[in-house]
Amino acid sequence: EAQVTQNPRYLITVTGKKLTVTCSQNMNHEYMSWYRQDPGLGLRQIYYSMNVEVTDKGDVPEGYKVSRKEKRNFPLILESPSPNQTSLYFCASSPDRGEPYEQYFGPGTRLTVT
Amino acid sequence: GEDVEQSLFLSVREGDSSVINCTYTDSSSTYLYWYKQEPGAGLQLLTYIFSNMDMKQDQRLTVLLNKKDKHLSLRIADTQTGDSAIYFCAEDLYNQGGKLIFGQGTELSVKP
Repeated sequence: EAQVTQNPRYLITVTGKKLTVTCSQNMNHEYMSWYRQDPGLGLRQIYYSMNVEVTDKGDVPEGYKVSRKEKRNFPLILESPSPNQTSLYFCASSPDRGEPYEQYFGPGTRLTVT
Repeated sequence: GEDVEQSLFLSVREGDSSVINCTYTDSSSTYLYWYKQEPGAGLQLLTYIFSNMDMKQDQRLTVLLNKKDKHLSLRIADTQTGDSAIYFCAEDLYNQGGKLIFGQGTELSVKP
């Protein structure tokens, strides 16, 4: 089954404790992206990757890191989480050509930083 | 920069039509999209329209595009309680393959 998986689905952590949210897709998509969803603000892109070893900042990259060592995986790293990073996070992937661009979303990771 | 705007809430009665509106700024978008997010789930592509079209109909869904005013709407006929969800419009950015700009999302509440 074609899908994007994220782990964990729920996470409660404390300020400053490094964490990683994993994302994996099995559709051989070139493009992968991380978003955060906050009430009234919709989805804001954190980082994206056009292909292996190619990553770039989105609209709200501060406090986050990513890596793309393999095509299927795109982990999101919070080196020193803070309470303002409490949010719902989505990973998404799509092929980078052949419009329209249907982005396939993971189920989301709800992160709480206390 | 690019921006997509939507109203945040819409409440309708079951059986009525729902119209969700969206405005966007990037006139070079090739496609415009509507995504649906059901409670506790990720977003799923609902429908899309090519920027050279004015209208697209797909069963109960009608998408209208006014390129001059950069206005996009989604009409859901005979709205059902199962249509309750958050609806996001999005535009793609020319020459940035795969990148979408999303609106804030409109939460549709359907009352029986």
